[in-house]
Amino acid sequence: DIQMTQSPSSLSASVGDRVTITCRASQSITRYLNWYYQKPGKAPKLLIYGASRLQSGVPSRFSGSGSGTDFTLTISSLQPEDFATYYCQQSDSAPATFGQGTKVEI
Amino acid sequence: QVQLQQSGPGLVKPSQTLSLTCAISEDSVSSNGAAWNWIRQSPSRGLEWLGRTYYRSKWYNDYAVSVKSRITINPDTSKNQFSLQLNSVTPEDTAVYYCAASHYYGSGTASASFDIWGQGTMVTVS
Repeated sequence: DIQMTQSPSSLSASVGDRVTITCRASQSITRYLNWYYQKPGKAPKLLIYGASRLQSGVPSRFSGSGSGTDFTLTISSLQPEDFATYYCQQSDSAPATFGQGTKVEI
Repeated sequence: QVQLQQSGPGLVKPSQTLSLTCAISEDSVSSNGAAWNWIRQSPSRGLEWLGRTYYRSKWYNDYAVSVKSRITINPDTSKNQFSLQLNSVTPEDTAVYYCAASHYYGSGTASASFDIWGQGTMVTVS
């Protein structure tokens, strides 16, 4: 199985900050990388698919980049509703696998 | 807007069978452009994909190796839903279970994400 490693595991930030989360795959996944966010007690929600494509309805302050093994999720100006846990997930090879998550805290 | 509604018990005894159902609205379990998945989440294992069912002129199933001997995912076209059965459960199967839809955004089976999720069901094995 492809291992997905996120860094950092958690971070503290303030409203208005620029936040960057990285995700590394154990082998090349070209651009088959998706990002989700999850609030406590809720299901994950898709933010970005195909490494950089914004899911419908997701604010433009979210962006994704990368290819091969290294990927980045950027929040350009953190908003109060963005405090959550973020996960990457690869769809290049079965089984689909997720990173361990990055918790964004105040 | 596609929606998924989960149902099923939240408590299962060890060695028994965990059974959950996911009802689909505004889409079809027989859609050629979608797959229907079960995913679970626990503090020890994180997010873990368990398996899927999908229709491409006939029905297919894929399962995670970790549960392959114990899992069955079945579509129900008459009710437009799909189900999860996990046999011989142990306390290690305690988790929040989600159903999720994958709709393909490009050609090839890799061009998929989990774009719609059910609300989740906390299942305790005890």
